[in-house]
Amino acid sequence: DIQMTQSPSTLSASVGDRVTITCRASQSISTWLAWYQQKPGKAPNLLIYEASTLESGVPSRFSGSGSGTEFTLTISSLQPDDFATYYCQQYDNYPWTFGQGTKVEIK
Amino acid sequence: QVQLQESGPGLVKPSETLSLTCIVSGDSINSYYWSWIRQPAGKGLEWVGRVYNRGNTKYNPSLKSRVTMSLDTSKKQLSLKLSSVTAADTAVYYCARVKLSGAWGAFDYWGQGILVTVSS
Repeated sequence: DIQMTQSPSTLSASVGDRVTITCRASQSISTWLAWYQQKPGKAPNLLIYEASTLESGVPSRFSGSGSGTEFTLTISSLQPDDFATYYCQQYDNYPWTFGQGTKVEIK
Repeated sequence: QVQLQESGPGLVKPSETLSLTCIVSGDSINSYYWSWIRQPAGKGLEWVGRVYNRGNTKYNPSLKSRVTMSLDTSKKQLSLKLSSVTAADTAVYYCARVKLSGAWGAFDYWGQGILVTVSS
């Protein structure tokens, strides 16, 4: 199985901050990576797919980059609605696997 | 607007079979991969498997011997059966649609999730 490792596990930030979350794959996954946002009690919501393509309806302050084994999700200016947990997911190989999550908290 | 709705028992006894269905509305069920993903309370997401058309399935090897997924295109629903459950199978179970882009594998629509507790 491909292991997905996110860092940090928890991130404290303020409204307006630029936030970066890293996701590393245990082997190359090309650009077959998605990012999700999950709020408590809700299903995850797709933000980014194919490492850098913004899903329709997602604010442009979210962006993704990377290829191979290292990927980043950036929020250019953190908004109150962005405090949530973020997951990366690879779909290069079965079984599809998720990172352990990064919780973005209010500083 | 695509909508997914999971249903099934919220409580299953150990060693029995967990059975869930997911009804899809707002789009065809035929042309997509459909997946089940689960999440134990306070923990991360685990992909259970995916189904496409008749009998085209891929399962997580960690569950493979216990899981069966199927599609009923006439009812526009997918189903999940997980046998010989233990407390470790207690989780919120989500059904999700796989986005048709590139290498299919990102989940663009999710159900709201259903909590299944395994307990006697």
